[in-house]
Amino acid sequence: GENVEQHPSTLSVQEGDSAVIKCTYSDSASNYFPWYKQELGKGPQLIIDIRSNVGEKKDQRIAVTLNKTAKHFSLHITETQPEDSAVYFCAAGYNNDMRFGAGTRLTVKP
Amino acid sequence: GAGVSQSPSNKVTEKGKDVELRCDPISGHTALYWYRQRLGQGLEFLIYFQGNSAPDKSGLPSDRFSAERTGESVSTLTIQRTQQEDSAVYLCASSSDRGSYEQYFGPGTRLTVT
Repeated sequence: GENVEQHPSTLSVQEGDSAVIKCTYSDSASNYFPWYKQELGKGPQLIIDIRSNVGEKKDQRIAVTLNKTAKHFSLHITETQPEDSAVYFCAAGYNNDMRFGAGTRLTVKP
Repeated sequence: GAGVSQSPSNKVTEKGKDVELRCDPISGHTALYWYRQRLGQGLEFLIYFQGNSAPDKSGLPSDRFSAERTGESVSTLTIQRTQQEDSAVYLCASSSDRGSYEQYFGPGTRLTVT
């Protein structure tokens, strides 16, 4: 089955700086790579996703890149704000069969 | 529309007791997932139901854990003879098999075993 590794486990940045979180996956059949944000006391929510036929996707301050050959994908957050502070999870899988990374706790210092 | 709901929101039980956690997915979602999240930790996959296919139980940590789903509706996660290490938030999510595979998470059940 799919195995997803995520780094770093914690990340602290200054407001306005960029943050990058990286994930690797094991199953070459995986074709869907979402990123979720979990705020304190809540369930994770989808913030951006990418499919295997695309190398990069951007939505305002958030972008995701995918390298299928190397089996890794990354989340980039630019111009970070304190409200970006949360736990971020990557996931990978085929159709509905998804596995999550262990999460990255991002802290944005004002 | 209604999202994923879970009950109870909080459950305190004594070690050795059995507990049942319930998940109501979004109507029409064929896929349903259970995860365990210990304090400050990531999402630990437990079990995945997809339509009428046999569930993927590969994440269940021991035979004390079991889950059922009736058709494409409600699911229950049962933990028998609870142990203190079972204390965690149990999250349920559902997704559609058409178009987006986004998982919609419920608010979770916080289980505390004393």
